[in-house]
Amino acid sequence: EAGVAQSPRYKIIEKRQSVAFWCNPISGHATLYWYQQILGQGPKLLIQFQNNGVVDDSQLPKDRFSAERLKGVDSTLKIQPAKLEDSAVYLCASSLTTYGYTFGSGTRLTVV
Amino acid sequence: DQQVKQNSPSLSVQEGRISILNCDYTNSMFDYFLWYKKYPAEGPTFLISISSIKDKNEDGRFTVFLNKSAKHLSLHIVPSQPGDSAVYFCAASPTGNQFYFGTGTSLTVIP
Repeated sequence: EAGVAQSPRYKIIEKRQSVAFWCNPISGHATLYWYQQILGQGPKLLIQFQNNGVVDDSQLPKDRFSAERLKGVDSTLKIQPAKLEDSAVYLCASSLTTYGYTFGSGTRLTVV
Repeated sequence: DQQVKQNSPSLSVQEGRISILNCDYTNSMFDYFLWYKKYPAEGPTFLISISSIKDKNEDGRFTVFLNKSAKHLSLHIVPSQPGDSAVYFCAASPTGNQFYFGTGTSLTVIP
């Protein structure tokens, strides 16, 4: 079974620029999550999708972050404009059931 | 507001000995608990889980204990191996769906 694929692995941008991350979940996994992990902290949920619908985006800073999951498979997370405090690892995870999920390797974003 | 806390940022243990990683939570509605292991430059990997109907779950060298009245869980690794050196995150959820993560404990197993 292929894992959760994320790209790019690393990204460096200047503040106020925009950036997008891509996630391809495990085949058949209906639930997809985006987490933000700031250095020294645990992952924090940003948004949860069930198929192509948003289940919870209460912790997503919607003034600058957006996410979509077209056709209930791949997902993209966008930040526009980026701030210095957005520097973090962005993790995508997917699950078949509601108990525990599989993470991708993450995208490390550095905003300078 | 950190609902899941791992108060020990790091732990060092000799190979072959027991590693005990602790986790406390504040929300009494949490019923599902997970432990994840994370190596550098990789995403977290699921390790072991427990739900509130049990107080212990064992999988090989890994055992998770849950004390719901104390809102505390712990992960025991016996015997510890150098390959266990990683950051360990505990996570908790009221529904088994969205999990809240602790800040992690970095375990170093010394050969």
